[in-house]
This record gives sequence, C-alpha cells and structure tokens, in this order.
Amino acid sequence: QSVLTQPPSASGTPGQGVTISCSGSSSNIGTNTVNWYQQLPGTAPKLLIYSNNQRPSGVPDRFSGSKSGASASLAISGLQSEDEADYYCAAWDDSLNAYVFGGGTKLTVL
Amino acid sequence: EVQLVQSGAEVKKPGESLMLSCKGSGYRFTKYWIGWVRQMPGKGLEWIGILYPGDSDTRYSPSFQGQVTMSADNSIGTAYLHWSSLKASDTALYYCARSLAVPGTGWFDSWGQGTLVTVSS
Repeated sequence: QSVLTQPPSASGTPGQGVTISCSGSSSNIGTNTVNWYQQLPGTAPKLLIYSNNQRPSGVPDRFSGSKSGASASLAISGLQSEDEADYYCAAWDDSLNAYVFGGGTKLTVL
Repeated sequence: EVQLVQSGAEVKKPGESLMLSCKGSGYRFTKYWIGWVRQMPGKGLEWIGILYPGDSDTRYSPSFQGQVTMSADNSIGTAYLHWSSLKASDTALYYCARSLAVPGTGWFDSWGQGTLVTVSS
C-alpha cells in the first residue's frame, strides 16, 4: 500500500477535462510540497508539476496542480490522446524520512 | 543539455553482486543530488534513496536501507547503485534522477532512461 493514495484509473474523451486526486497525511502532503510525474508507456517518468502548482518549462498549461491540507490534485484540461499515461504524485514524508510516491493513476483517453 | 545515461540491462543469478551506473552530463555533477527509483514489473515508483556527490551525503528509504549502497565518482560524473547479494525480488527497472534541492524540498527534474535488472536462477 502506498503512503499517498491515488485512484488506480481515470478516463476522459478528447477535449474533456479530468482531475486526479492524491491523498496523504500531515507528515507528507500536509507539511511538504507535492510533485507530479507523467510516465508515458515504455518511457522514464517526466516531471510535470513541482512545488504543488509550478510547471517546468515545456509543460503545457493544460496541466495544473493544486494542494489543500493533506490532499493534492492534478487537473488536465483539453485532453489529448498523447496524455494517455501513468501519473504519480510524490512528496517528502517527515515521519518516514523518505520521498514517497502515490500508487499511480492510469489515464485513458477514450 | 542535461542528460543522465544509465548502464545497460543486466541478467543475474540470486546471490550475485551488481553495480548500476548513471552518468550525468550537461550540468555540474557535484551540485545536484542523484536519486534512485525502483519500478517493479507492472507496478509503481518506489524511492530507494538519494546521494549528494558534493559531500557523499546519502539518505536511504527505510525499505531499502541495508539492501543497497549508493556511491559516486565525481571525477567521471557517475553515480552508482550496488547490491552485494541479489534476490529474485530485486527484478525491476531502476531509474536514476537529478534533484537540485535537499531532500524534503526538492523534486526530480531529469531522469535516466532506466536499467532493467532481471534476477533469476
């Protein structure tokens, strides 16, 4: 069981929006910033969002992150077929003294 | 261009030792942390630990403490992940990744391509 909880799957049709949740606790998301990674099939993960809501250069503004209390969300608007991937949230956990990942959410674009 | 290039796939037997490498280029190697992440077949990402080549400060996940050793050779800008005695359960894809900030505040902004390790008798 992952320390951060994500839904195993999400889906949407092209052009729609979708939100992926990430639930943690006071020792991780409640205290530290959240990062999101995108893993396209057969490739290495890629940083998508850092520090809760910041986008690295090159990441489309269709992707946005937010955090409230011990939970975080990744929102994707205007879904495209190339968004089909696994998405992982991550944060430092002060109790475990470790960087923890969510279990991942497989996004399907129907 | 920042690049992390990992060593090639390995097939090993239980009990054998193994060292994976991760060569950084396009940036100042000693100024960034290098982390290691495991992905077991069909599963999610797991943080193994992180190393600061500048002073060899290392932090291990409690789940991996004592199971692996991280190190670096700054003269060639390369980080390593070492096992002294592999188990079948070490079969996985291993990634190295770079982080600027100290553990607790950072994120992995660049990743290696991954190294597949297969441990089987």
